[in-house]
Amino acid sequence: DAGVTQSPTHLIKTRGQQVTLRCSPKSGHDTVSWYQQALGQGPQFIFQYYEEEERQRGNFPDRFSGHQFPNYSSELNVNALLLGDSALYLCASSTGLAGSDSYNEQFFGPGTRLTVL
Amino acid sequence: TQLLEQSPQFLSIQEGENLTVYCNSSSVFSSLQWYRQEPGEGPVLLVTVVTGGEVKKLKRLTFQFGDARKDSSLHITAAQPGDTGLYLCAGGENTGTASKLTFGTGTRLQVTL
Repeated sequence: DAGVTQSPTHLIKTRGQQVTLRCSPKSGHDTVSWYQQALGQGPQFIFQYYEEEERQRGNFPDRFSGHQFPNYSSELNVNALLLGDSALYLCASSTGLAGSDSYNEQFFGPGTRLTVL
Repeated sequence: TQLLEQSPQFLSIQEGENLTVYCNSSSVFSSLQWYRQEPGEGPVLLVTVVTGGEVKKLKRLTFQFGDARKDSSLHITAAQPGDTGLYLCAGGENTGTASKLTFGTGTRLQVTL
């Protein structure tokens, strides 16, 4: 049973460029969330996709956008890269949307390390 | 914005010692999850606690969710070098149309021989 996979593992870009990161969820999962983890900090929520729609968004600018495909895989796009975008980008998958009185466990991939020069 | 504060930030102990990591918030969460993260890897889920006052044990690790569902603790008995890593607590929020995790600031644990 494959877990969450992400590609590429590492990426180096220069300021102003655009980048696309990819994620395949764990088998049986249909919800994908993206997080940004700066060095020495906890992950910060970027957004979540379910049924190919962005369902919730964290405090990130419009330069960060995403997409979910019919097979539940997802992409994270970042435009006009800034030095401060250098971070580990994590994808997490889970099963469906939990109601307000329940919970859903999220399982993380190994991440993509993005370095912006 | 909901915040989760973890303490201590750093902890260096010797093998065999006991330790407790705390995770505190002023907000209520529907669930509280604990993760361990190794350098260069994604966080690995250790446990999820849902009910106020709930206690869960995972071998030498004991997790507790506060009665008010605002805080949690992780206690490790007889720490081993394999316990070394970054420990993250994360509060779960579900709106019915989406869910997200709010992560704590992290506790970096080093266990030496």
